[in-house]
Amino acid sequence: KAGVTQTPRYLIKTRGQQVTLSCSPISGHRSVSWYQQTPGQGLQFLFEYFSETQRNKGNFPGRFSGRQFSNSRSEMNVSTLELGDSALYLCASSRPGGDTQYFGPGTRLTVL
Amino acid sequence: AQSVTQPDIHITVSEGASLELRCNYSYGATPYLFWYVQSPGQGLQLLLKYFSGDTLVQGIKGFEAEFKRSQSSFNLRKPSVHWSDAAEYFCAVGAPGGSYIPTFGRGTSLIVHP
Repeated sequence: KAGVTQTPRYLIKTRGQQVTLSCSPISGHRSVSWYQQTPGQGLQFLFEYFSETQRNKGNFPGRFSGRQFSNSRSEMNVSTLELGDSALYLCASSRPGGDTQYFGPGTRLTVL
Repeated sequence: AQSVTQPDIHITVSEGASLELRCNYSYGATPYLFWYVQSPGQGLQLLLKYFSGDTLVQGIKGFEAEFKRSQSSFNLRKPSVHWSDAAEYFCAVGAPGGSYIPTFGRGTSLIVHP
């Protein structure tokens, strides 16, 4: 079974731009969560989607948004990028029942 | 709400030596507990998990962890470390049942000397 895939793996943007990251979960998994990882703050939860609905949300500004499609694939969008948004963005999926999260390789976003 | 503490930011061991990474959690009942490993620039890989039952859990890559309720701990151990074990290790705690999001510790960086 293929693991969680994330595209692109690396991204360079400039301040003020927006970016969209994509995540394809493990087949059969319907929950997708997004995390931001930085050296200073560690792993911080952004949001979780289940059956195309946002089920949980972390403490991030409204510039961070996401969505989930009917095939469980998910995208997250960051608008008006700031330097502090530079991070590794990790996606994780879990099966219905959601006891264990399985992570993708991440998207490294650099904001210049 | 649950929380997790990994007291050691860095741990240095020699190749072949034993390893123990500490994890303490705060939760009102028995939580779900996880250990993940992250190699540089990569995502998190699940090493092992504890939900219930036998308090000594075996994982991949020769790792094991022991749940100690009295100490609110879930320490990760390996009897003999290999150079390839050098990575960042994360302990996580989750609330059983329903929709949950695990809370992650800040991680412990393992350095292995030859």
